[in-house]
Amino acid sequence: DAGVIQSPRHEVTEMGQEVTLRCKPISGHDYLFWYRQTMMRGLELLIYFNNNVPIDDSGMPEDRFSAKMPNASFSTLKIQPSEPRDSAVYFCASSASGGTTYEQYFGPGTRLTVT
Amino acid sequence: GENVGLHLPTLSVQEGDNSIINCAYSNSASDYFIWYKQESGKGPQFIIDIRSNMDKRQGQRVTVLLNKTVKHLSLQIAATQPGDSAVYFCAETYMNRDDKIIFGKGTRLHILP
Repeated sequence: DAGVIQSPRHEVTEMGQEVTLRCKPISGHDYLFWYRQTMMRGLELLIYFNNNVPIDDSGMPEDRFSAKMPNASFSTLKIQPSEPRDSAVYFCASSASGGTTYEQYFGPGTRLTVT
Repeated sequence: GENVGLHLPTLSVQEGDNSIINCAYSNSASDYFIWYKQESGKGPQFIIDIRSNMDKRQGQRVTVLLNKTVKHLSLQIAATQPGDSAVYFCAETYMNRDDKIIFGKGTRLHILP
């Protein structure tokens, strides 16, 4: 199994530009999570999906952030327009319901730098 | 890495000694707890979990202890190895409500040669 796949691994962009982060969850997993990690705030949940439907987006910072999951094998997190304070590592994670654990499998992350 | 030690407590342990990492959780209604390990440049990785009807659970070289009275969780690592060097996060959730897991701030474990 390839695990959770995220792309790109690194993204450097200028303030005001649109940024799209991509995630492919583990096949068969029905939950998908987007997190942001910074020095100041640690690991924050932004949004999560169950069976491709957004369940809780209360962690999305503001309207500049949006996330979609058009099918079970793909999700995007978009920032438009980007700002320097959005610089962080963004993780995607997936998990499967029906098991005995809530183990989330994390991708390698996308390091975003907005200049 | 993503978690520079300026904002993280750090535990330094001699290689071969046991490590104990502590965590205070916030919600008395939480009934499921998890420990994650994050190595530099990687995403967090599940280590071990425990439900609130237990006070101790053992894995391979790791033990998690839960004290619900004082809302305290600890992770014990036996015979600490260089590969254990990482940031460790405790996380909590309430299983019957939703699947949102709340992560703590993390503790950096530094292994001394």
